[in-house]
Amino acid sequence: DTAVSQTPKYLVTQMGNDKSIKCEQNLGHDTMYWYKQDSKKFLKIMFSYNNKELIINETVPNRFSPKSPDKAHLNLHINSLELGDSAVYFCASSQGTPMGNEQFFGPGTRLTVL
Amino acid sequence: DQQVKQNSPSLSVQEGRISILNCDYTNSMFDYFLWYKKYPAEGPTFLISISSIKDKNEDGRFTVFLNKSAKHLSLHIVPSQPGDSAVYFCAASAGYGNKLVFGAGTILRVKS
Repeated sequence: DTAVSQTPKYLVTQMGNDKSIKCEQNLGHDTMYWYKQDSKKFLKIMFSYNNKELIINETVPNRFSPKSPDKAHLNLHINSLELGDSAVYFCASSQGTPMGNEQFFGPGTRLTVL
Repeated sequence: DQQVKQNSPSLSVQEGRISILNCDYTNSMFDYFLWYKKYPAEGPTFLISISSIKDKNEDGRFTVFLNKSAKHLSLHIVPSQPGDSAVYFCAASAGYGNKLVFGAGTILRVKS
């Protein structure tokens, strides 16, 4: 059983489109995250939710909107996609309040904006 | 502003020898450090961590050393195995449970 799963694994789309990436964890963790790995390979945190509440919101364009329907899911919706949004997006989860350091990552979603 | 730096993009080591991966940080508030390992097309997986109250933590073949005065940590893998070939990320946080700041990773290749 996959602990942290993301769909889709690959996403190719045109500039200006709106897309969503879904994330689910079956570890019973309280906290979930979205990271972006850019072309320089840095993993940068974008958002974090603890028990469905937003606790971290880094300097991310408001075209990015996370949604947590329950503590096992954290989806990422991106409006008006731009070329610079092309990256690999990782979802992660951890146990602990507000966050646990030992985070479990999903396999990533490679987003390509044309 | 790269608060966590892994200055070696890649490292190649012979099987059975020691692999040493290095990481430097600039933020003196960081007091918890982790290493993650990543295979292609997979997410990073947690490997080992160390708190600033220690200068060494060991787990099997993996040992992390922390030099607070130099703001430097290193991961030693002994003996290195071909299955250790992966990207290794160093990460740090200011306080356990706070957000992680990652380095850019070092690609380790272990040759058999």
